[in-house]
Amino acid sequence: DAKTTQPPSMDCAEGRAANLPCNHSTISGNEYVYWYRQIHSQGPQYIIHGLKNNETNEMASLIITEDRKSSTLILPHATLRDTAVYYCIVRVAPRGAGGTSYGKLTFGQGTILTVHP
Amino acid sequence: DSGVTQTPKHLITATGQRVTLRCSPRSGDLSVYWYQQSLDQGLQFLIQYYNGEERAKGNILERFSAQQFPDLHSELNLSSLELGDSALYFCASSVEPGTEAFFGQGTRLTVV
Repeated sequence: DAKTTQPPSMDCAEGRAANLPCNHSTISGNEYVYWYRQIHSQGPQYIIHGLKNNETNEMASLIITEDRKSSTLILPHATLRDTAVYYCIVRVAPRGAGGTSYGKLTFGQGTILTVHP
Repeated sequence: DSGVTQTPKHLITATGQRVTLRCSPRSGDLSVYWYQQSLDQGLQFLIQYYNGEERAKGNILERFSAQQFPDLHSELNLSSLELGDSALYFCASSVEPGTEAFFGQGTRLTVV
């Protein structure tokens, strides 16, 4: 799986958008970008994933650059409860999409996002 | 609530002992993963099962073993425990390998 690079920490004001960047310059054509977060020693929580198109769900939006070498996770209106470590993970496509992934997630150090009042 | 249940939530045991951690995956999920999170190592993948069969192994010590039962629940067995095995152990499940995984709340193991 491709390696990712994230800033170690970021701050955001409550109510503002939080934009978390991730570089994955060695990503392959069959690799997806996944985002998870972990709130203070709780189990990691799935946020969103995408291949090359921008994705949006009830939690966040994922913007992937055209060359797929980087992406940004956007939390549109950050709250104090969004304070967490955010992990950007790149891995091969799910089986259903023709990939041969075994499914394991390789977590890096992530970005510690602190949302301030 | 992710739907993944791990028991026990906390476990304190002595060095040299053996413990078993249990995981019940979300209903319908066939794949189970185990991860270890210690302060100095971050989240490390240990092992994965799919429908009862081992699918992938990570940095799992020989003192550790796991299995997935016919009812799809999984157990992680840790033996000859050392102080360094103190960590959070997370179980995750997914419908099949590669689809998004959902994590339990973890078991905090303290070896004294």
